[in-house]
Amino acid sequence: SQTIHQWPATLVQPVGSPLSLECTVEGTSNPNLYWYRQAAGRGLQLLFYSVGIGQISSEVPQNLSASRPQDRQFILSSKKLLLSDSGFYLCAWSFGGVGNQPQHFGDGTRLSIL
Amino acid sequence: DAKTTQPTSMDCAEGRAANLPCNHSTISGNEYVYWYRQIHSQGPQYIIHGLKNNETNEMASLIITEDRKSSTLILPHATLRDTAVYYCIVTGANSKLTFGKGITLSVRP
Repeated sequence: SQTIHQWPATLVQPVGSPLSLECTVEGTSNPNLYWYRQAAGRGLQLLFYSVGIGQISSEVPQNLSASRPQDRQFILSSKKLLLSDSGFYLCAWSFGGVGNQPQHFGDGTRLSIL
Repeated sequence: DAKTTQPTSMDCAEGRAANLPCNHSTISGNEYVYWYRQIHSQGPQYIIHGLKNNETNEMASLIITEDRKSSTLILPHATLRDTAVYYCIVTGANSKLTFGKGITLSVRP
């Protein structure tokens, strides 16, 4: 079976500091990978998705970037965090290359910017 | 992707069926109906999805009207652990999910 891991679970960072959140998937190859953000009291917003190594699509302009250095690894980064980057960050995966498939989410990282 | 409309909230008694409605009147022929739920402070959990036919799995049943303009998620025997926000999402071949506000289901003892 497939599993998805996100870490850390919670993170407190000062404004202007860098960020690196990591997500890995086990039990499948060539998954589609996704990063979402949920701001307090709001719905989930898709930030990035990837259909393969080095292939990243950005959904909204922002202070964040994503990378996929390995098949089952997806990283969310920022060089300088803003207060508005606070939120609940979720990684998700789906089977790749097989049409419409459900996404499966990790447990998320709760990021607070001070 | 087509937009969905859900009531803001509903409740049901523990042990009874919970029927969660969703309207998606602008759905196109190749778009699927997905249901997810999110329990407080956790990531969304996939429940079920369908295209035209009714679907059932170990968690729930999905009833899609013949014209596909609306659907109902049925939790056959709701428990307190089913209290969550339930999202009805319509998505096409790109499988991108657009989460709205969902419906808050409260299961009462």
